[in-house]
Amino acid sequence: GDSVTQTEGQVALSEEDFLTIHCNYSASGYPALFWYVQYPGEGPQFLFRASRDKEKGSSRGFEATYDKGTTSFHLRKASVQESDSAVYYCALGYNVGDNSKLIWGLGTSLVVNP
Amino acid sequence: NSKVIQTPRYLVKGQGQKAKMRCIPEKGHPVVFWYQQNKNNEFKFLINFQNQEVLQQIDMTEKRFSAECPSNSPCSLEIQSSEAGDSALYLCASRTGTTNTGQLYFGEGSKLTVL
Repeated sequence: GDSVTQTEGQVALSEEDFLTIHCNYSASGYPALFWYVQYPGEGPQFLFRASRDKEKGSSRGFEATYDKGTTSFHLRKASVQESDSAVYYCALGYNVGDNSKLIWGLGTSLVVNP
Repeated sequence: NSKVIQTPRYLVKGQGQKAKMRCIPEKGHPVVFWYQQNKNNEFKFLINFQNQEVLQQIDMTEKRFSAECPSNSPCSLEIQSSEAGDSALYLCASRTGTTNTGQLYFGEGSKLTVL
C-alpha cells in the first residue's frame, strides 16, 4: 500500500540554521503531497500542497518541491526561528474516486534553540 | 475566525465506559474526518463523512466506535466500551467538498485517557 517515510524523528537546530526534513513516499498512483505542522496542544495546520511533478509548494518561509523521480517532497527553510519548533508531517492523498483520506508520515519533531 | 471546534478537550474514562466526543466543523465544510493520533504521533484514519453520509471507515470504527454527522447538530464520535489502547488524541477535521486533496482544517482534539 501507499506510505510516507520521514527519516528524521527529531531535528535540533539553532536559530538562523538551515532546515531540511526529508520526506519520501511510495504510491501506486500520482498523489498530491502535503506538509502539515502541529504545535504543542493544537491540531495540525496545513502548510502547503503540491500536486504535480516539479511543482513547488511554499508558505511561511517553508518550501518543498514535488519530485516524482526520487519520490520525495523534502521540507526546507533557509533560516529557522524558535517559533518554528513543532512537529512537521508529510502526507499524501489522491484526488480521484472514493479515496479521500490522507496517508501520514510519523512526523519530525523540530526543536529550535535560541 | 471560524474554526473546527472539538469538545471536550479532555476525557478520562474507565475501561468499559462509553466515551463521546463532539465536533463542529468549519462553516460550509461538508466533509468531516475523524483521526486517532497516538502517543507516537501516528495518525489512524477512523471515518469520514460528506454531509450526513459515511464515505469511508475502518473496521475498528464499525465494531466499537460509532460516529455520525447529523444535519444542524455537531458531529460525534463515540466509543461504546473504552479500552486502554483507545487512549489517544482524537482529531476532527473538515474541508470543502470540491476536491479530495483540499486543505484539512483540524480542531484542537479531544484527549482520551482510559484508566
